[in-house]
Amino acid sequence: EVQLVESGGSLVQPGGSLKLSCVASGFTFSNYWMDWVRQTPGKSLEWIGEINTDGSKTNYAPSIKDRFTISRDNAKSTLYLQMSNVKSDDTAIYYCTRIPDYWGQGVMVTVSS
Amino acid sequence: DVVLTQTPPTLSATIGQSVSISCRSSQSLLHSNGNTYLHWLLQRPGQSPQLLIYLVSRLESGVPNRFSGSGSGTDFTLKISGVEAEDLGVYYCVQGTHAPWTFGGGTKLELK
Repeated sequence: EVQLVESGGSLVQPGGSLKLSCVASGFTFSNYWMDWVRQTPGKSLEWIGEINTDGSKTNYAPSIKDRFTISRDNAKSTLYLQMSNVKSDDTAIYYCTRIPDYWGQGVMVTVSS
Repeated sequence: DVVLTQTPPTLSATIGQSVSISCRSSQSLLHSNGNTYLHWLLQRPGQSPQLLIYLVSRLESGVPNRFSGSGSGTDFTLKISGVEAEDLGVYYCVQGTHAPWTFGGGTKLELK
């Protein structure tokens, strides 16, 4: 059974940093591009970035580019999202996903002073 | 970026009723490789999205066959033939033909 389990969500102050993790199981993690998608409360879904299979290539949405960094550790089957200089607009549920077929349960990130 | 417009934004249905959701794209989703990367997701209340239909019309494993997808180019439809209580939630179309991935605004299916 494929599982994606995120962790690391919390309350963070504007301008602060946070790192989310996503542990994958049930499939060969190193064979797949992986993505992060976020959902603001009551709103639709927003793709924020992706990483290729060996971690050498990433793509980001303009809204988070130069502030967020996606990385992966294939030996640990783990995907990461390093968030820096966070803003109130970054308040959302963050999903790790092997888009479109598998999604994690999501973690809440709240940016507030 | 590709804009996906879903209609209606809200759908009220009775159990057993058949309903359809439309997803219209701002540009053709036919990829140069011949595939059309338009998929449908369901997000039940308090849950993460789950895949229902991929590549326009292919039913994901374990999804009841009352769900069906159709369409081509820029116009796509998700149909539920006989709504059941477990179908309530928000439906999203999502495209992967043109980077970046984009999502429709969602259609909330509720009980009448």
